[in-house]
Amino acid sequence: DSGVTQTPKHLITATGQRVTLRCSPRSGDLSVYWYQQSLDQGLQFLIQYYNGEERAKGNILERFSAQQFPDLHSELNLSSLELGDSALYFCASSVDGGPHDEQYFGPGTRLTVT
Amino acid sequence: AQSVTQPDIHITVSEGASLELRCNYSYGATPYLFWYVQSPGQGLQLLLKYFSGDTLVQGIKGFEAEFKRSQSSFNLRKPSVHWSDAAEYFCAVVNTGGFKTIFGAGTRLFVKA
Repeated sequence: DSGVTQTPKHLITATGQRVTLRCSPRSGDLSVYWYQQSLDQGLQFLIQYYNGEERAKGNILERFSAQQFPDLHSELNLSSLELGDSALYFCASSVDGGPHDEQYFGPGTRLTVT
Repeated sequence: AQSVTQPDIHITVSEGASLELRCNYSYGATPYLFWYVQSPGQGLQLLLKYFSGDTLVQGIKGFEAEFKRSQSSFNLRKPSVHWSDAAEYFCAVVNTGGFKTIFGAGTRLFVKA
């Protein structure tokens, strides 16, 4: 158990809908990362937050947005969902978000868009 | 642009045999290098990492990796594989000036009895 929790574990929704994925980092970790894992794209970095502020942005679509709240939990919002958004979404956390930091991964949220 | 290549999509080894998983990266300087393991239905777990210094790094679960600057490689090794090592292994890099982690496509390891 990494100490990172993600809810829900599974999510099934229809195209065009909007969903919110939630992540609670390990106690004491200030940085949160979001990743998307799919068969065709592999593991893709989406976005990183540090202490409530966006630190780095990767291959995140404009339909997707995220934020980190004062209590350090984070949410990833996916809107206007398409079939291709079906994937496993991972959250990770680290102590200070530096490039050398070990990232601790949650178990993921599996999103299925029908 | 930075990239990470894991040339083997899957590898099968016998239990007790040695293992080497290949990783090559493309980057102008020496990035931070990582190996992660993902067991079925699980998140990723860090095995080891390299930033500088001794080019042979030891990790958890008996794994080690060697950084070779001349070959832009960071191959993962284990002298004797156990059935519980069956999983998917990801090589990753983070450029020293930034924060984005780039993962390779992964190598799935199968262990046969």
